[in-house]
This record gives sequence, C-alpha cells and structure tokens, in this order.
Amino acid sequence: GQNIDQPTEMTATEGAIVQINCTYQTSGFNGLFWYQQHAGEAPTFLSYNVLDGLEEKGRFSSFLSRSKGYSYLLLKELQMKDSASYLCAVVEYGNNRLAFGKGNQVVVIP
Amino acid sequence: GAGVSQSPRYKVAKRGQDVALRCDPISGHVSLFWYQQALGQGPEFLTYFQNEAQLDKSGLPSDRFFAERPEGSVSTLKIQRTQQEDSAVYLCASRPGTGSNTEAFFGQGTRLTVV
Repeated sequence: GQNIDQPTEMTATEGAIVQINCTYQTSGFNGLFWYQQHAGEAPTFLSYNVLDGLEEKGRFSSFLSRSKGYSYLLLKELQMKDSASYLCAVVEYGNNRLAFGKGNQVVVIP
Repeated sequence: GAGVSQSPRYKVAKRGQDVALRCDPISGHVSLFWYQQALGQGPEFLTYFQNEAQLDKSGLPSDRFFAERPEGSVSTLKIQRTQQEDSAVYLCASRPGTGSNTEAFFGQGTRLTVV
C-alpha cells in the first residue's frame, strides 16, 4: 500500500512562487500525478512524473526523487485563479489506481 | 459528451434509504474508478473496473456498497441503507487504457448528504 503525506494549507501573494511538497512510501512506485481541484469541482490533471528530475509546463513545474520518495509542485507567477487544492497521487506496479494524498490548499491573496 | 458525466450532482437521502449514483465515462475509456472524497480530504479509492470486469473493490468500506459496469461503459455505484458517515462527494474517473502513465479524467462528482 501507499502512505502519502502533504502539508495542509498555505497562503501566498499574487505573483509569488509557491512550492507544494509530497512525500510517499510505496512498495512499487510506478508514477506520480499532480492534480488541481477548485472547490466543488472535479480534479484536473497538471503533471505526471515517473523518472527523477524536473518536468516543466508553463507556470507549473513538478519534480520527482524516487530514492527519497519525494515530489514537489512549483507554481510560479501566482494568479488568483490558482487558489485551489493541489493533490498528489501515486500509482503502484500491478495496481492501476491512483492513491491520493490529502491535498494542499493554496490561497492566493492580492 | 466530451468529459466524464455524473448524476445526480446532489443527493439528499434519509438514513436507511438506498441510493444509486451514475457515471458516464468518456467514450471508449477502458478504465473506470470510483472515489469517495470527504470535506477537506483527498479522494479515497473505492473500486476499479477494466471494461465490465471489476478488478479491484478493496476500497469499498462495507458490503452496503456495490458497483457495476455491465456493458463496459456506464457505471453505477449503489449504497444500501445509507448512514450519516456515507455523506461525501463521490467522484468517478476514467482513463483511456490501463497504462499507469495515462491521466485520469474526473467527473464533477455527486455530493451525497445523509440526514
């Protein structure tokens, strides 16, 4: 099984950079996803990492270290619309499901 | 439709009542998942279908929960004799294949409130 840990909430100013961390323990790591979820809405895909290193996609970047069981999501040039919960999810070998952490609530203020 | 569709969006049930929640996945998607999300928490896995086969139901919290996908497309999650602790948002997600690197597309969920 998996054990996924995320800090719960952070506040940041418009235009700033925030880093959201995710640590996990799993018996057979096979990929990590980041999702964004606005209140009352469906989670939407942000990024996928399976190899160590940084994946950059516009204002969002995601980093993975498999040896440390650690990932982070970096949000640059924060906008008000980035206020949301950010969820990391791990996939294990032989198991098609995504196992989610509790999510990290980001509040962007002017 | 273009995305995953769930109905109803909101459901209020009296304790002890049976409910049925529907999920229409993206057409052609092989994999279908049900998740339960409590307020302020991440989605918790309930069950997984590959086409019509239910390959994993390890997350179903009790035998009051039952899911089916008889023709490999639409799925129904049924909860019998609902209890207050069943109050949550129930999310459905689909993936085009069975590979671990494909993103899951989520519906907006059904918010179930048991009173």
